[in-house]
Amino acid sequence: DAGITQSPRHKVTETGTPVTLRCHQTENHRYMYWYRQDPGHGLRLIHYSYGVKDTDKGEVSDGYSVSRSKTEDFLLTLESATSSQTSVYFCATEKGGAFDTQYFGPGTRLTVL
Amino acid sequence: SQQGEEDPQALSIQEGENATMNCSYKTSINNLQWYRQNSGRGLVHLILIRSNEREKHSGRLRVTLDTSKKSSSLLITASRAADTASYFCATDNQAGTALIFGKGTTLSVSS
Repeated sequence: DAGITQSPRHKVTETGTPVTLRCHQTENHRYMYWYRQDPGHGLRLIHYSYGVKDTDKGEVSDGYSVSRSKTEDFLLTLESATSSQTSVYFCATEKGGAFDTQYFGPGTRLTVL
Repeated sequence: SQQGEEDPQALSIQEGENATMNCSYKTSINNLQWYRQNSGRGLVHLILIRSNEREKHSGRLRVTLDTSKKSSSLLITASRAADTASYFCATDNQAGTALIFGKGTTLSVSS
């Protein structure tokens, strides 16, 4: 699993609360990604990072922010959680650059009530 | 926006049979990748085929790429129950900044 961990693995929260998901890697991969997976939509990119403090938006970035202060950690924050953000969130890393193999974490199941 | 789309959405076969899944995409690509996802787990990379390659093999997997038709196929030979999973194709997006995943094909292999 390329040394990628996600925490927490499961979380239930209430609408309007802030939530932070953490992705930690031990592979020293430069690129990191956050996806959400929903039935009928497959995987959709939320944000990605191409280096420490270098991040950019993906397809479904509204309502999410990210930070990467260290190579190994990539945080995803839901500023004010909504029920539409109930999903499974996956972190992925990539060693060499765009279009290379991506390695996925085990996922975080988030439920917003 | 969807770049790759898999077909069929679901496939059920018996152990020992071959399974073929297809992926179509819309714009030119640098490479195309296939991933597998077991229920409740993260995606696992299976194979990457570059735009200048036509066929690639890895164990029981065979991937073909036809850039003129903007399509790829994944063949799993002699399927096993352990191959039961969802399979996704992924291509680079038009901006050249990230991979775009399809919605996947769910494969069920019964013994």
